[in-house]
Amino acid sequence: EAGVAQSPRYKIIEKRQSVAFWCNPISGHATLYWYQQILGQGPKLLIQFQNNGVVDDSQLPKDRFSAERLKGVDSTLKIQPAKLEDSAVYLCASSFGELAGVYEQYFGPGTRLTVT
Amino acid sequence: SQQGEEDPQALSIQEGENATMNCSYKTSINNLQWYRQNSGRGLVHLILIRSNEREKHSGRLRVTLDTSKKSSSLLITASRAADTASYFCATDNRSNYKLTFGKGTLLTVNP
Repeated sequence: EAGVAQSPRYKIIEKRQSVAFWCNPISGHATLYWYQQILGQGPKLLIQFQNNGVVDDSQLPKDRFSAERLKGVDSTLKIQPAKLEDSAVYLCASSFGELAGVYEQYFGPGTRLTVT
Repeated sequence: SQQGEEDPQALSIQEGENATMNCSYKTSINNLQWYRQNSGRGLVHLILIRSNEREKHSGRLRVTLDTSKKSSSLLITASRAADTASYFCATDNRSNYKLTFGKGTLLTVNP
C-alpha cells in the first residue's frame, strides 16, 4: 500500500515569511497527525484530526500556525509568520483509529524547514 | 512535556552484539510503543506493548514492560549495521490516550 506522502521535502525561508506543508495520509486512515521534530528531540504533537475535525491542538502555536483537513483526507499545515525557532522537521502521520496510544502510526518522510 | 525518557542517549556496539535501550516514564499508561528513525526509512513503528503485558517479541526485538517501576526496555539481538538509527519510546496518557515521544537513543552498529 502507498505510504504517507508529504511535500515539499525541504524548504528554506527567511523569518517572517510564510510556508505551507502538504500531507496525504494512507487511504482509509481517519486519523491524521502533524508533529514538529527539533534536532535531537523526539516528535512533538502539534495537531490531531479525526476525519475533518480537530481532536487535539493544545500544543499548536495558534498565533502563527494553522492546519486544516477540509475533506477529511489530505491536510495542510501553515506557518505565518515564521520564526527562527520554527526550524525543524515537520512530520505527518496517520492511523486507522482515533486513540493515539492504541494504534500504530504511519509516518511520512517529513519536511525539513530551515528559517534564516 | 515529554513523558518518556530513553537511556542511554547514545550507544555504540559492534555488529552481532546485543543492544539494550531503556525508557522510563512518569505517569500511568495504557500502552507503550517503540519507534525507529533513520535517514533511509524515516520514523517506523516497531512494537506496541499494553500495560497488562510484561514482555513481547517481534523478530530480533524483545520489549519488556515493568509498570511498577514505570519503565520499559528494548532489546535488539544479533545487531546489524542496518539497525543503526534513533530509537524512541512513546507512551500514552491513561486518561486520553495522547501519545508522547521521548528524546530517543541513538544506536550505532559498527560493521
